[in-house]
Amino acid sequence: DIQMTQSPATLSASVGDRVTITCRASQTISRWLAWYQQKPGKAPKLLIYDASSLESGVPSRFSGSGSGIEFTLTISSLQPDDFATYYCQQYNSYSPLTFGGGTKVDIK
Amino acid sequence: QVQLQASGPGLVKSSETLSLTCTVSGYSITSGFYWGWVRQPPGKGLEWIGNIYHGGSTYYNPPLKSRVTVSMDTSKNQFSLKLTSVTAADTAVYYCARAGYTGYDPFHYWGHGTLVTVSS
Repeated sequence: DIQMTQSPATLSASVGDRVTITCRASQTISRWLAWYQQKPGKAPKLLIYDASSLESGVPSRFSGSGSGIEFTLTISSLQPDDFATYYCQQYNSYSPLTFGGGTKVDIK
Repeated sequence: QVQLQASGPGLVKSSETLSLTCTVSGYSITSGFYWGWVRQPPGKGLEWIGNIYHGGSTYYNPPLKSRVTVSMDTSKNQFSLKLTSVTAADTAVYYCARAGYTGYDPFHYWGHGTLVTVSS
């Protein structure tokens, strides 16, 4: 199976900060990577797919980049609604779908 | 807008079978797309369980494969999850979700999730 490692596990930031979260795959996954946002008690919400495609309705302050084994999610200017936990997920063909361990973004 | 709602017993006894149903509205499950299950133990991360397509194709997470069955009831626009021989480790919030056009796609739509507790 492809293991996904996210860093950091926790990130403290302030409103207006630029935030970057990294996800590393244990083997190359091309651009088959998604990012989700999850708030307490809620289902995950898809933000980014195919490494850098913005899901419809998601604010443009969210962006994704990377290919191969290293990927990043960037929030250009953190908003109060963005304090949440973020997960990456790989969906490389013929490999079981796997998620990263999550990155919690909390208030500094 | 597609909506998904998972339902089923919130408490299952150890060694028994967990059964959940996901009711889909706003979209026919026979019109394409894969549909799947993801779970999240309390305070932990996400684990994919399995996906199904109306043509019958299924994909399961290997660690769970021997215990999992995902099926469809197209007449009710529902799909279901059965997990046998449950233990405390299967206690989790179970989400149903809609993926893309292949068995290897991200999940674009999610249901609210239902907590299932396995008791001894």
